[in-house]
Amino acid sequence: DGGITQSPKYLFRKEGQNVTLSCEQNLNHDAMYWYRQDPGQGLRLIYYSQIVNDFQKGDIAEGYSVSREKKESFPLTVTSAQKNPTAFYLCASSKGDEQFFGPGTRLTVL
Amino acid sequence: AQSVTQLDSQVPVFEEAPVELRCNYSSSVSVYLFWYVQYPNQGLQLLLKYLSGSTLVKSINGFEAEFNKSQTSFHLRKPSVHISDTAEYFCVGSGGYNKLIFGAGTRLAVHP
Repeated sequence: DGGITQSPKYLFRKEGQNVTLSCEQNLNHDAMYWYRQDPGQGLRLIYYSQIVNDFQKGDIAEGYSVSREKKESFPLTVTSAQKNPTAFYLCASSKGDEQFFGPGTRLTVL
Repeated sequence: AQSVTQLDSQVPVFEEAPVELRCNYSSSVSVYLFWYVQYPNQGLQLLLKYLSGSTLVKSINGFEAEFNKSQTSFHLRKPSVHISDTAEYFCVGSGGYNKLIFGAGTRLAVHP
């Protein structure tokens, strides 16, 4: 089945540690996205990539980094510089107007 | 500024009653509009979309939305809701270059 996978579903980290969230898609989509979701705020765009080896900052990129070495993969690193990293993180991909979302990773920083 | 406004953060309703979730968009948002649904602890799923053509668009599970250019609205309606419709609903506009503009979400709670 085609789709987007994110792992793990739940992730716990100690404050000050970097952590990398995985996102893989087998939809053959060129564009991929990372969003952060906080209660009552909808989704906010962190980073996006329109093509392999290229990515752009979204609205809240500070404290995050990404790479796009393969078309299928778009990992997100939450660095220790991110002041409030506890949130639900959603990855998406698109080919055209519609974006397809993964199941999300809930990150809790203790 | 580009923005999408969902006028209600929560909508409680009894089962089998009609429901309307309200959404307005700024005129700077491209008129590609979407409604996504999110069930608890899951990703978002596309419910319906308006790209062009007929202003009334429908989903397979009984929801419909009407694009109203003069009122810059894209309200979501269902004539009779089920318990399984309980979820968070996001109105989304296109900001160009595959960038989406999300509303804050409306939590629909259907009670028996």
